[in-house]
Amino acid sequence: RKEVEQDPGPFNVPEGATVAFNCTYSNSASQSFFWYRQDCRKEPKLLMSVYSSGNEDGRFTAQLNRASQYISLLIRDSKLSDSATYLCVVNGNFYGGSQGNLIFGKGTKLSVKP
Amino acid sequence: NAGVTQTPKFRVLKTGQSMTLLCAQDMNHEYMYWYRQDPGMGLRLIHYSVGEGTTAKGEVPDGYNVSRLKKQNFLLGLESAAPSQTSVYFCASSSRTGWATEAFFGQGTRLTVV
Repeated sequence: RKEVEQDPGPFNVPEGATVAFNCTYSNSASQSFFWYRQDCRKEPKLLMSVYSSGNEDGRFTAQLNRASQYISLLIRDSKLSDSATYLCVVNGNFYGGSQGNLIFGKGTKLSVKP
Repeated sequence: NAGVTQTPKFRVLKTGQSMTLLCAQDMNHEYMYWYRQDPGMGLRLIHYSVGEGTTAKGEVPDGYNVSRLKKQNFLLGLESAAPSQTSVYFCASSSRTGWATEAFFGQGTRLTVV
């Protein structure tokens, strides 16, 4: 099982739509969770961290379910500028050692159409 | 404010040649990472470092070596390049792996091995 798994996508949605991304992770000892955004041929950039109680940043809402080892990202009122690949990122000791690693899912591509 | 700088940005190697990719960060971060990104595979962790003088293996370490002689620099070496190492390489750094810790990425190195 891959350490971090995401919806394969791609998601093609019209402007104004609500879109949800899902992610599961394998290491129950994982401590931190994030969503990153990557534009075509660019480096990944932090979109938002994910807290146990859930958190919101404008049109973006992130949820964490530790019992199910599940993370989600909801985008409301999609904009053309939201078109990108969304990466689920988890911190944990996936490869041994005493410190955490940052492990990325494969990403889900979102295309928002006019 | 440079952040994370990778050199070179592009490189073409012949099979069997060697090269070193340099990552430099000016944020005094303890943790540094090397990832490779291939179509359909997402970002995969090659090696990481939790501090000056320390390195550890990630998911796909074979064929690569790393060194962290100075806190601000993390070098990735390919001793004998193979076509399978054609990829986009990203370096990242973070202050720690914990709550709400952002990893900052360099702009990537596009490597082609022919």
